[in-house]
Amino acid sequence: AQSVTQLGSHVSVSEGALVLLRCNYSSSVPPYLFWYVQYPNQGLQLLLKYTSAATLVKGINGFEAEFKKSETSFHLTKPSAHMSDAAEYFCAVSEGETSGSRLTFGEGTQLTVNP
Amino acid sequence: KAGVTQTPRYLIKTRGQQVTLSCSPISGHRSVSWYQQTPGQGLQFLFEYFSETQRNKGNFPGRFSGRQFSNSRSEMNVSTLELGDSALYLCASSHSRGGSSYEQYFGPGTRLTVT
Repeated sequence: AQSVTQLGSHVSVSEGALVLLRCNYSSSVPPYLFWYVQYPNQGLQLLLKYTSAATLVKGINGFEAEFKKSETSFHLTKPSAHMSDAAEYFCAVSEGETSGSRLTFGEGTQLTVNP
Repeated sequence: KAGVTQTPRYLIKTRGQQVTLSCSPISGHRSVSWYQQTPGQGLQFLFEYFSETQRNKGNFPGRFSGRQFSNSRSEMNVSTLELGDSALYLCASSHSRGGSSYEQYFGPGTRLTVT
């Protein structure tokens, strides 16, 4: 069975500082991994995905994530936080063909950006 | 391309009633998945439909059901509503069920309040 753990339900950074949101996964097969962002009263927006190609994945809005199989991690980073990055972030895993379109999500991390 | 659309956006129902939510996927997408989002349980998978067939089902009672039409539009139904069914219901669509090009796109959600 697949599962996702996001370390830290709340992360606070200063504008211009590094953003690091942690995600660890468990999967019985090579996983597909995703990061989504959710702004208040909206749906989820796909930031980036890993589907067994390059281990360093670049996404939208300056975010990137690195897949580390040995650590079963897929942490999300951004070199310099912007006020508009304040939102909730979700890491998700899919076991590809095994689980079809089923995504298993982490608990979410609320990112606050302080001026 | 138009995104995933969900109707209605907001809904208030009374315990014991039933409700039907609608989702129109991105044009050309054949897979539609439904998720329930609550503060306590987070994002939970309800079910997935592909080519009018339910392919995957989450751990929800039989009061939750769905269907998909030949144009890929999907509906979900909740019968005998309970207070705990109050949630944001998210629909997501994807072109495929897996593979390196797999991506799932979410609609804005339907906010259901049960009183």
